Amino acid sequence: AQSVAQPEDQVNVAEGNPLTVKCTYSVSGNPYLFWYVQYPNRGLQFLLKYITGDNLVKGSYGFEAEFNKSQTSFHLKKPSALVSDSALYFCAVRDKGTGRRALTFGSGTRLQVQP
Amino acid sequence: NAGVTQTPKFQVLKTGQSMTLQCAQDMNHNSMYWYRQDPGMGLRLIYYSASEGTTDKGEVPNGYNVSRLNKREFSLRLESAAPSQTSVYFCASTSPASGRKAPDTQYFGPGTRLTVL
Repeated sequence: AQSVAQPEDQVNVAEGNPLTVKCTYSVSGNPYLFWYVQYPNRGLQFLLKYITGDNLVKGSYGFEAEFNKSQTSFHLKKPSALVSDSALYFCAVRDKGTGRRALTFGSGTRLQVQP
Repeated sequence: NAGVTQTPKFQVLKTGQSMTLQCAQDMNHNSMYWYRQDPGMGLRLIYYSASEGTTDKGEVPNGYNVSRLNKREFSLRLESAAPSQTSVYFCASTSPASGRKAPDTQYFGPGTRLTVL
């Protein structure tokens, strides 16, 4: 079985400050890891993913995430937050060893960036 | 390309009524999915279709049925709606692993907000 934990329901950060949104995962094999963002009344938009290789993954809108196998984590980061980054962020995982491509999502973290 | 489209955007049903949520993608993706989103629970997989002609249960299939009508379309049916099915429903599709662009990335539709009274 695969699972994802996002331990923070909400993260508050001031504009211009760095932000981190936390994610830990559990899979029996090796993971594919994803971050998605959801703006109000919209579907989920892909931000970035880790497949293999470099542990630091760069994605859309200046976001990046670091894969840490020993800590089974995939935290989302951005050096300087913007008010427009305020949204709901989801981490997701898929076990590479399974043929099924369905993702398991975390419960989501609401990011609030204050001006 | 329109990407993934869903209809309707909003729906209100009474307990016991039936309805079908429609989903279509124009990206030539093989795999399609139906999720429901509830507050504090993230997205939970209802059903998925790995390819045309196949469907499989996900995490929360009870009370739902699906049809993969062709490669483009994947519908979700509620035969007898219950208040517990009040949720936002998202359809998604995935490019093949051998695809040139972002393989295994899921692309989502805008969602259907369903209320069952």
